[in-house]
This record gives sequence, structure tokens and C-alpha cells, in this order.
Amino acid sequence: AQSVTQLDSQVPVFEEAPVELRCNYSSSVSVYLFWYVQYPNQGLQLLLKYLSGSTLVKSINGFEAEFNKSQTSFHLRKPSVHISDTAEYFCAALISSGSARQLTFGSGTQLTVLP
Amino acid sequence: DTAVSQTPKYLVTQMGNDKSIKCEQNLGHDTMYWYKQDSKKFLKIMFSYNNKELIINETVPNRFSPKSPDKAHLNLHINSLELGDSAVYFCASSLGTSGGLNTQYFGPGTRLTVL
Repeated sequence: AQSVTQLDSQVPVFEEAPVELRCNYSSSVSVYLFWYVQYPNQGLQLLLKYLSGSTLVKSINGFEAEFNKSQTSFHLRKPSVHISDTAEYFCAALISSGSARQLTFGSGTQLTVLP
Repeated sequence: DTAVSQTPKYLVTQMGNDKSIKCEQNLGHDTMYWYKQDSKKFLKIMFSYNNKELIINETVPNRFSPKSPDKAHLNLHINSLELGDSAVYFCASSLGTSGGLNTQYFGPGTRLTVL
């Protein structure tokens, strides 16, 4: 079973509409969770992360994600999207591998914001 | 003032050839990584080096050999290239590992096409 599951491969949404990108993780993984964004032809950039403390974490560009332990979810939301938010979004979790931990990514969700 | 740079950006080559991809970071980080992103955008870690020492080595064919001449560089050499090696390869770096909690900074990627 996949450790990190992104249920939607593509999410089209109109500009200024709200959006939710879903991410579920296996209960066997650590609860260190991340969202990365990949703009066209660029590398990944960290959007936000949950390590501990408040279950609601926010990015500087209006995205937020809530860690929900009972539902093993870490969904990403934004109340009003812009054209510039069009990108691939990856959810990730830290997985133990031997003596080290490594980032394990979901399969990604392509967010396309339509005018 | 690029943080993590990779060369070349595009690499097209024939099956059976040997090729290298270079990665350099100027962030003063001591941990570097190589990831492979396949045609379905699934991203998976290949290697991780901390202070020039290998700490993560996933199930990767031994045709792939990372080389870290110093903390700022992690090059990837691939022998006897196969069609299935076609992918985008991302280099990343972080300051220490902290069990993977430290933010990883990604390069722009190298698109390898094997004909």
C-alpha cells in the first residue's frame, strides 16, 4: 500500500474559487508531513510542513493544510486561487529507511486555474 | 546566485552510453540528494549524502553511481543507459538531516531522454 496517497491527479478550478487538494497517509508512517509545489519546468519548492504543534499550518501565499490524525489526512486548501497557482502539488511524508528517514512523495496533483 | 544548480538541463543520448549529471549548491548545506521523477511525475529518492558520506541508497541499479567530491557537489554518473532511465532527475540539498526534518531545496532538474 502506498504511504502517501493523493486521490486527485488533476484539479481544474476557476480563478478566485476555493480549492482543496487531498492527501492521505498510511498510519504506519511518521506524522511529519509536507506539501511541495512544482511550477512548470522548475524544481520543487516547500510550500508548508507539519512537524508538531498546531495542526493548522499556513504558507505565505495563502495556502493552508490541516493535519487530521483520526482521518490520516493532510489536505491542502486555499480560499481563493489565482492563475499563478497553476502548478503540480506534491504531498510528502517522512518514512524510516534503515537508520535514516527520507521523504516519500505522493503521485502529485496538477492544479489548473482557469480564467 | 542560484541556490541549487544542475547541468545539463537537457540530456539526450543513445542506449548504452555513459553520462553524468552535475549538481552544485551554494547554500552551505552538508546534505545532498538525488531524486528521479518518472513520466507520470512520480518522485522517488535515489541517494542521499551527508558530509560526503552515503546515508540513503535506495534500490537503484548499480549502473547509477553518485560521487561527492566535496560537500557542495553531488554528481550522478550513469553507465550503460537504458530506455527506462528516461526521466527528470532532481538534485536537492539541506542543512544537516535532523532525521529528514530540515527543508530540502531542489534544483531545476535534468531531463534525460534515452533513445
